[in-house]
Amino acid sequence: DAEITQSPRHKITETGRQVTLACHQTWNHNNMFWYRQDLGHGLRLIHYSYGVHDTNKGEVSDGYSVSRSNTEDLPLTLESAASSQTSVYFCASSESGTGNTIYFGEGSWLTVV
Amino acid sequence: DQQVKQNSPSLSVQEGRISILNCDYTNSMFDYFLWYKKYPAEGPTFLISISSIKDKNEDGRFTVFLNKSAKHLSLHIVPSQPGDSAVYFCAATSFVSGTYKYIFGTGTRLKVLA
Repeated sequence: DAEITQSPRHKITETGRQVTLACHQTWNHNNMFWYRQDLGHGLRLIHYSYGVHDTNKGEVSDGYSVSRSNTEDLPLTLESAASSQTSVYFCASSESGTGNTIYFGEGSWLTVV
Repeated sequence: DQQVKQNSPSLSVQEGRISILNCDYTNSMFDYFLWYKKYPAEGPTFLISISSIKDKNEDGRFTVFLNKSAKHLSLHIVPSQPGDSAVYFCAATSFVSGTYKYIFGTGTRLKVLA
């Protein structure tokens, strides 16, 4: 079955370190997204991509970057981790065009100490 | 500016009764709306959706209503079951300038009491 997987599922890192969260989908979806979930804020969009070599900033992109070198993967990098980036991160993907369902991974819990 | 709002952070309902979860949006360009269910320590899972050309969509116990003039949608769960206890997110998308994004609300925690 097609799926979307995230790794690591849990990570503790120190302030200032670079961290990369991996996201891999086997649906061959063009669109991929990264969200963070925080209490009181719901799911907020960090970055998104509509295809290989395409990346776009979401509403909370500061301190994060993504790259899309192939269809399947959209890694999220925290350039210099900050305590404010302690959160649950969800990767998601969907087919192109409007009216399509977005599918989520299981989440990556990141703690910055 | 919150484009998609869920003003009720939590809701408790007796088993067997109806659960009504509400969502308001501000962007009239949104053309597709979705509801997701999220259990603790899991990713959100798709529940039901509705296109802006419709005002109702049903799937088993779940019905979504869309009132475009009021920029309001609601999710009805009938009858509610304890397994429905979860956080529910509404989401909206729009196809603007050849791109689109999914914007989510802040979620409503539903608790179904046995």
